[in-house]
Amino acid sequence: AQKVTQAQTEISVVEKEDVTLDCVYETRDTTYYLFWYKQPPSGELVFLIRRNSFDEQNEISGRYSWNFQKSTSSFNFTITASQVVDSAVYFCALPLIKAAGNKLTFGGGTRVLVKP
Amino acid sequence: DSGVTQTPKHLITATGQRVTLRCSPRSGDLSVYWYQQSLDQGLQFLIQYYNGEERAKGNILERFSAQQFPDLHSELNLSSLELGDSALYFCASSGLVGTGELFFGEGSRLTVL
Repeated sequence: AQKVTQAQTEISVVEKEDVTLDCVYETRDTTYYLFWYKQPPSGELVFLIRRNSFDEQNEISGRYSWNFQKSTSSFNFTITASQVVDSAVYFCALPLIKAAGNKLTFGGGTRVLVKP
Repeated sequence: DSGVTQTPKHLITATGQRVTLRCSPRSGDLSVYWYQQSLDQGLQFLIQYYNGEERAKGNILERFSAQQFPDLHSELNLSSLELGDSALYFCASSGLVGTGELFFGEGSRLTVL
C-alpha cells in the first residue's frame, strides 16, 4: 500500500532561516508522481509541485527547492530565507495506487511557523 | 483562487442531523474528489466522480453519499451526523487524469454539536 510519512509535525524558525521538511514514502510502483501541497492558515490547499519518479533532478522555484532521492524514497522540501508568509502546513502526497489518477494519499503534514 | 467553489464555508449542526455540502469544479474539469480533514485522521480521500459517474471510493462511511450532476457540480451528503464527523471537507477537481494535480476549494468546515 502507498504510504507517506512526514516525521516532523511542527517546525518553528525565525524569519530568514532555512527550513527543510522531510517526506519519506512507500510504494510498490516503479513509476509514480510525488506532490507537495501548502495549507496556509486560511485553510485552502495549494498545489506546489509535482515530480515524476523518472526525474531525480533537484528543482528550484524561487525560495523553494525540492530534493528527490529515489534510493532513499525521500522527497524533501526546503524553504530558503523563510518569511512569515511561509507559515503554513505542508503536505507531501502520493497517488493512492498506480493509475489511480489523481486520488492522492497525504502525509500527516508538517506545520511550519516562521516568527518575525 | 483555484476556481473550485465550495458552499457553505461553515456549518454548525447537531448530532443526528443531515447536511449537504456543495462543490462547483473548475470550468472544464470533469473529475471531482471529496476529502475529509480531521485532527485525528488527517487528510483522507472519500470519493471521486468523473463526468457524473462514481469512479472510486476511499474511506467514506455508509452514512455519507455523494453525486455529481449533469452540470458537473457535486454534492456530498452527510447523514445521522456524529460528533466525530466534525471536520473540514474539501472538494477538488482535476483536468488531466493521471497527473495528480488537484485544485482544491477552500473547504467546508462542519461542526457537529
